[in-house]
Amino acid sequence: DIQMTQSPSSLSASVGDRVTITCRATQSISRYLNWYQQKPGKAPKLLISAASSLQSGVPSKFSGSGAGTDFTLTISSLQPEDFATYYCQQSNSPPYTFGQGTKLEIK
Amino acid sequence: EVQLVESGGGLVQPGGSLRLSCAASGFTFSDYGMNWVRQAPGKRPEWISYITSSSRTIYYADSVKGRFIISRDNAKNSLSLQMNSLRDEDTAVYYCARDVQGFDPWGQGTLVTVSS
Repeated sequence: DIQMTQSPSSLSASVGDRVTITCRATQSISRYLNWYQQKPGKAPKLLISAASSLQSGVPSKFSGSGAGTDFTLTISSLQPEDFATYYCQQSNSPPYTFGQGTKLEIK
Repeated sequence: EVQLVESGGGLVQPGGSLRLSCAASGFTFSDYGMNWVRQAPGKRPEWISYITSSSRTIYYADSVKGRFIISRDNAKNSLSLQMNSLRDEDTAVYYCARDVQGFDPWGQGTLVTVSS
């Protein structure tokens, strides 16, 4: 199975900051990497698919990059509604594994 | 509006069975593969099963293989998950999600609690 590891596991930032979350796969997944945002008590929401493809309706402050085994999610100009937990997920081959999550908290 | 609504969760004893359903609306259900994903409290989501649009191909996570069965009825826009031989570690919120190279959208989830 492909294991996904995110860093950091938690991140404290201020409104207006720019943050970057990284995700690493244990083997190459080409660009089959997705990013989700989850708020407490809610289902995850797809932000970015195929490493860098922004989903319809998702603000352009979210961006993704990477290929192979190393990926990043960048969020610019943080707003209060952006503080949540972010997960990466590989969709290269089943089982479609998720990273452990990065909890983004307000400083 | 594209929408998925799960139902069927509840409290069940270890070794018991439960059947979850997912009602789809707002899109052509028969055009898409579908997934079940679960999330235990405080844990990352765990993908557990996928079914193609035609039901021809099905995948399961090792953690549920041989115990859970995914199925769909395209005429009724419905996805199901039959869960047998339930264990304490199956306790989680269960979500259905449409497969679009990424999972989108997800339903609101249904809670399954396995406990004596």
